[in-house]
Amino acid sequence: AQTVTQSQPEMSVQEAETVTLSCTYDTSESDYYLFWYKQPPSRQMILVIRQEAYKQQNATENRFSVNFQKAAKSFSLKISDSQLGDAAMYFCAYTAGGTSYGKLTFGQGTILTVHP
Amino acid sequence: DAGITQSPRHKVTETGTPVTLRCHQTENHRYMYWYRQDPGHGLRLIHYSYGVKDTDKGEVSDGYSVSRSKTEDFLLTLESATSSQTSVYFCAISGGRQGGDTQYFGPGTRLTVL
Repeated sequence: AQTVTQSQPEMSVQEAETVTLSCTYDTSESDYYLFWYKQPPSRQMILVIRQEAYKQQNATENRFSVNFQKAAKSFSLKISDSQLGDAAMYFCAYTAGGTSYGKLTFGQGTILTVHP
Repeated sequence: DAGITQSPRHKVTETGTPVTLRCHQTENHRYMYWYRQDPGHGLRLIHYSYGVKDTDKGEVSDGYSVSRSKTEDFLLTLESATSSQTSVYFCAISGGRQGGDTQYFGPGTRLTVL
């Protein structure tokens, strides 16, 4: 079975600084997708970024970027120029491609605190 | 925002009572999912649907059943609620054009079983 591990239960960063959240996963599939979701105190799950495993280029969305290391099965999220609104729980998630029906496997989450 | 609503948003019930949570979408998406969120576990898949009347079990399906009689509605039923089912429940939808399509989540339902 696929597993997703986030080894940092909590992280903190100063406003305007950069922080990196770690995620590792285990799979025997070659076709898969990885995601980072943000969950602010409102509880709403918000997609931050999506990575397709067959693409070597790391995904980027504005201040958010990933470091996708396929051989190491690592998928870290870098947040640049951190803002107070970035404070949230962040979840890494995995799904296999093909006929997986898109079922997501989530990590345990990392709580990010942003200090002014 | 994807058009996904969940009802009720909050519910308190007693052990042994049946509970039904509803997920409604206006996006005409094929795939729908139910997850539960518990501290230390992230989100875990309960059941999912890949079409009307087509459903299957997820990782933590014991004690839960689902039904999907229309594209837009996906119901999650706890036949006899237990305290271990106290959790936050999320519905999600996906267009499902390919396995890695993004899932969009509803606002969640907080269920407390006393």
